[in-house]
Amino acid sequence: AQSVAQPEDQVNVAEGNPLTVKCTYSVSGNPYLFWYVQYPNRGLQFLLKYITGDNLVKGSYGFEAEFNKSQTSFHLKKPSALVSDSALYFCAVRDMQAGGYQKVTFGTGTKLQVIP
Amino acid sequence: SAVISQKPSRDICQRGTSLTIQCQVDSQVTMMFWYRQQPGQSLTLIATANQGSEATYESGFVIDKFPISRPNLTFSTLTVSNMSPEDSSIYLCSAGQGDETQYFGPGTRLLVL
Repeated sequence: AQSVAQPEDQVNVAEGNPLTVKCTYSVSGNPYLFWYVQYPNRGLQFLLKYITGDNLVKGSYGFEAEFNKSQTSFHLKKPSALVSDSALYFCAVRDMQAGGYQKVTFGTGTKLQVIP
Repeated sequence: SAVISQKPSRDICQRGTSLTIQCQVDSQVTMMFWYRQQPGQSLTLIATANQGSEATYESGFVIDKFPISRPNLTFSTLTVSNMSPEDSSIYLCSAGQGDETQYFGPGTRLLVL
């Protein structure tokens, strides 16, 4: 079975400071990993993904994430936070070895609050 | 990427009635999914909408309550039947392509009185 954990319900960061939103996962095989962002009253927007290759993945809006296989983590980062980054962030995982249809497991979400 | 639209964007319904939510994708996609989300919380997969065959439902969701149609590769509907206040939620449609990424619609906010 696959699972994903976002240990922080909320992360507060000052504008201009670096931000990190944590995610750890569990799969039987190798993972597909994703980050999505949800702004108020909106659907989820795709930020970035890791399938294979370079462990550092760059995505939309200046975000990046680092895949760490030994720590089974995929933390989302940004060097300098903007107030407009304030939103709900979801990490998601799919086991590459999962057969049948493509089922993705989403984390519980982390609310990012960037303080001006 | 895929652009997904949903209709209606929101609705207020009386208990015992049914609501059909439409999901339109701007390109042909292999997989379409329906999720439920309480505001500020995680997503719960209701079912995978398969083109040309019955939907695949997750544990706790049944076809009689949430019938799904997928008549072609760009369109799907989800019906919430015999609604109760417990069905009040945000319903999200998503589409997946070969690159494993899912793209989401803006959601339908449903309130059942």
